[in-house]
Amino acid sequence: AQSVTQLDSHVSVSEGTPVLLRCNYSSSYSPSLFWYVQHPNKGLQLLLKYTSAATLVKGINGFEAEFKKSETSFHLTKPSAHMSDAAEYFCVVSVRIYNQGGKLIFGQGTELSVKP
Amino acid sequence: DGGITQSPKYLFRKEGQNVTLSCEQNLNHDAMYWYRQDPGQGLRLIYYSQIVNDFQKGDIAEGYSVSREKKESFPLTVTSAQKNPTAFYLCASSLTELYSNQPQHFGDGTRLSIL
Repeated sequence: AQSVTQLDSHVSVSEGTPVLLRCNYSSSYSPSLFWYVQHPNKGLQLLLKYTSAATLVKGINGFEAEFKKSETSFHLTKPSAHMSDAAEYFCVVSVRIYNQGGKLIFGQGTELSVKP
Repeated sequence: DGGITQSPKYLFRKEGQNVTLSCEQNLNHDAMYWYRQDPGQGLRLIYYSQIVNDFQKGDIAEGYSVSREKKESFPLTVTSAQKNPTAFYLCASSLTELYSNQPQHFGDGTRLSIL
């Protein structure tokens, strides 16, 4: 069965320090993986996606993620946190179900706090 | 600007009442989705539609109903049978549901509360 696990429910960093949000996935097939960000009372915005091309994926706002098949991980990183990065982040795996197209499976979310 | 518009932003439901949440998209996407978001539980799929006049149940469809009469519109009705409707509801769309690498685009949500 396909699943996604975000290893931290809450991460707190200081402004200007690196960000690491961890995600492990389980998939029977070569998955498509996404990171989304959600600011309070807003919808989800796509940060980046992996679809079996380069294993290091660059996204918006300076974020990037590395797909590691051997570790079944897709961790999200940013070299230097900004106050505006404070939000909830979702790791998402897309699976293909026969005759039903693609389905998204969401992680539980990681809340990122950024201290001045 | 293309996007997804959800209305209203806040909605209150009385006991025994049905309420309808609106979702409109001008992205010319074939597929549309409804999710429910509860604190600490991520997003759960309620219903989805691959094409006009067709829709399928998601993981938590009980107490909800949908229609897809137009490509741009996918309204969700929360019926009185849904005993715990308080949540944040998100509508999304994607170009097609045929491939697993299609990202979904989200509206800004409707927060539903019980009076």
